[in-house]
Amino acid sequence: EVLLAESGGGLVKPGGSLRLSCAGSGFTFSNAWMNWVRQTPGKGLEWVGRIKSKPDGGTIDYAAPVKGRFTVSRDDLKNTVYLQMNSLRIEDTAFYYCATGSISITGFDYWGQGTLVTVSS
Amino acid sequence: QSVVPQPPSASGTPGQRVTISCSGSSSNIGSNYVSWYQQLPGTAPKLLIYRNNQRPSGVPDRFSGSKSDTSASLAISGLRSEDEADYYCAAWDDRLSGPVFGGGTKLTVL
Repeated sequence: EVLLAESGGGLVKPGGSLRLSCAGSGFTFSNAWMNWVRQTPGKGLEWVGRIKSKPDGGTIDYAAPVKGRFTVSRDDLKNTVYLQMNSLRIEDTAFYYCATGSISITGFDYWGQGTLVTVSS
Repeated sequence: QSVVPQPPSASGTPGQRVTISCSGSSSNIGSNYVSWYQQLPGTAPKLLIYRNNQRPSGVPDRFSGSKSDTSASLAISGLRSEDEADYYCAAWDDRLSGPVFGGGTKLTVL
């Protein structure tokens, strides 16, 4: 069974930093493209960023609103993908989900349960 | 205002067939595959359809997807109460260089 478990969410002040983790199991993590998607409470979904598998080049891409502030990385030995979030803004408040796959090839085929990040003074 | 608008709501009665649409542009739906996601209340999204009309293992054949030009549709036949959820379309956007999600449609089973 594929499982994804996010952790690291919480309350942080504007301008602060937070690191989210997503641990995967039940699949070959090193071959998976890993994504971060966020959802403001009661609102829609927004893609945040993605890291391809190392065999596919390990390329990292970001959505415009987070580029330069957020960093996606992976540790295939720990089957974990990370989202380092710096210079957080109030509008970054959201549930953050990790998801596997390519939107065009497989769709985002597995999702974690999400972790809530609240940016507030 | 979403890059890929969807009607905010849809409804149907048990057993009925309902269709949810999303309207994109040449940079997203018009030139890339569409996927659809179901989000039940209080849970994470779940993949329903990928590559326009492919169902992952375990998704009932009551769910089907189609695409025409810059629009896509999700059809649900034999509507059930457990289908009450939010539904999102998504596609890669060549102009934005990333995936975009539709604004979401809340389906109510009357």
